[in-house]
Amino acid sequence: EDKVVQSPLSLVVHEGDTVTLNCSYEVTNFRSLLWYKQEKKAPTFLFMLTSSGIEKKSGRLSSILDKKELFSILNITATQTGDSAVYLCAVRGNTGKLIFGQGTTLQVKP
Amino acid sequence: EPEVTQTPSHQVTQMGQEVILRCVPISNHLYFYWYRQILGQKVEFLVSFYNNEISEKSEIFDDQFSVERPDGSNFTLKIRSTKLEDSAMYFCASSSRLAGTETQYFGPGTRLLVL
Repeated sequence: EDKVVQSPLSLVVHEGDTVTLNCSYEVTNFRSLLWYKQEKKAPTFLFMLTSSGIEKKSGRLSSILDKKELFSILNITATQTGDSAVYLCAVRGNTGKLIFGQGTTLQVKP
Repeated sequence: EPEVTQTPSHQVTQMGQEVILRCVPISNHLYFYWYRQILGQKVEFLVSFYNNEISEKSEIFDDQFSVERPDGSNFTLKIRSTKLEDSAMYFCASSSRLAGTETQYFGPGTRLLVL
């Protein structure tokens, strides 16, 4: 059965800290892995990863995929209180559906 | 920037009633999805829709559920006879292609409460 597991489930840090969020997966016919940020409502797209070893970067956020070991990490450097959210990892096979992990709740304290 | 919109933002209904949740996907997108998230749980896939047909559906998407694209812009999810366990946030999403490498963009969700 396809599954996505994220760790840790929750994390509390202080502003300025660096955090690493993990996502491991098992999915038939892997096509892509996506990271979303969920604040109050809709998941907001962050990154899509399809190839191993190629880092995607956007400001203080970066992510990389390891297709051999079947995991991805999302790094956030110099965290700010606005980074507080649930971070969702989702994986897609060769059908359209996304399979989500349970999310990591990040709280950044001032 | 184009976005997926959903109405209503909140809906309260009595058990056994029918509800229709509405979505307007991004205008040039061709693939549409419904997901739900029960409070405190994972986001779960319900159904995907393309070319006026269901492409894939999950075990959750039983005979009580149906989807429709009644016109060129709206995409609806109908729950025929709601149950308490249907209470959840329902998200609509759309993508331009089904290549497996296309981003799905999510709407803000409809919070459904069944009493």
